[in-house]
Amino acid sequence: NAGVTQTPKFRVLKTGQSMTLLCAQDMNHEYMYWYRQDPGMGLRLIHYSVGEGTTAKGEVPDGYNVSRLKKQNFLLGLESAAPSQTSVYFCASRIQGRQPQHFGDGTRLSIL
Amino acid sequence: AQTVTQSQPEMSVQEAETVTLSCTYDTSESDYYLFWYKQPPSRQMILVIRQEAYKQQNATENRFSVNFQKAAKSFSLKISDSQLGDAAMYFCAYRRLGGNKLVFGAGTILRVKS
Repeated sequence: NAGVTQTPKFRVLKTGQSMTLLCAQDMNHEYMYWYRQDPGMGLRLIHYSVGEGTTAKGEVPDGYNVSRLKKQNFLLGLESAAPSQTSVYFCASRIQGRQPQHFGDGTRLSIL
Repeated sequence: AQTVTQSQPEMSVQEAETVTLSCTYDTSESDYYLFWYKQPPSRQMILVIRQEAYKQQNATENRFSVNFQKAAKSFSLKISDSQLGDAAMYFCAYRRLGGNKLVFGAGTILRVKS
């Protein structure tokens, strides 16, 4: 039972490069989320999805795009990476209703 | 907009002692959920305890308990018989009933001394 799996776990990019972070969950959860975690600021919501084919903006969406083509996967894209996007990125998912979110182990992304 | 405030950036506790982490929140909603998550150095986000606002009884999970004061919008976490493995960053989080988003506080680093 893998839960929420994030790929990759660590990556270094140069400014201007693009990349995609993959989040996969095997719990048949409807809702999926992408957060970023920066020192002293807790986790901030980037984008989220309430079901396959739907996405919505969170608190800090600029510079990121997302897609949810399959229920189990939620992709986070950086089209042109900037040093300000250096952060730890967390994916989470949950089922409808009162249940809490389940988190992946995070991806540490450094942009030089 | 809802906000969550953790006023203690860092706390220390002696092993086997009790420590309380503070959390306050701001909302105009009457029904919501509150959570405490633990993030050890491994970076995992682990749910410690949750509270539903309509329940007056404070939630308890083994050595972890909360003091939920709805009128004061306060949600503190008490850790009893602290253990070395409790050392971590602790985040308080809020979600309104029917809402999709978790709002997090900035976190409190808990250090446990042996």
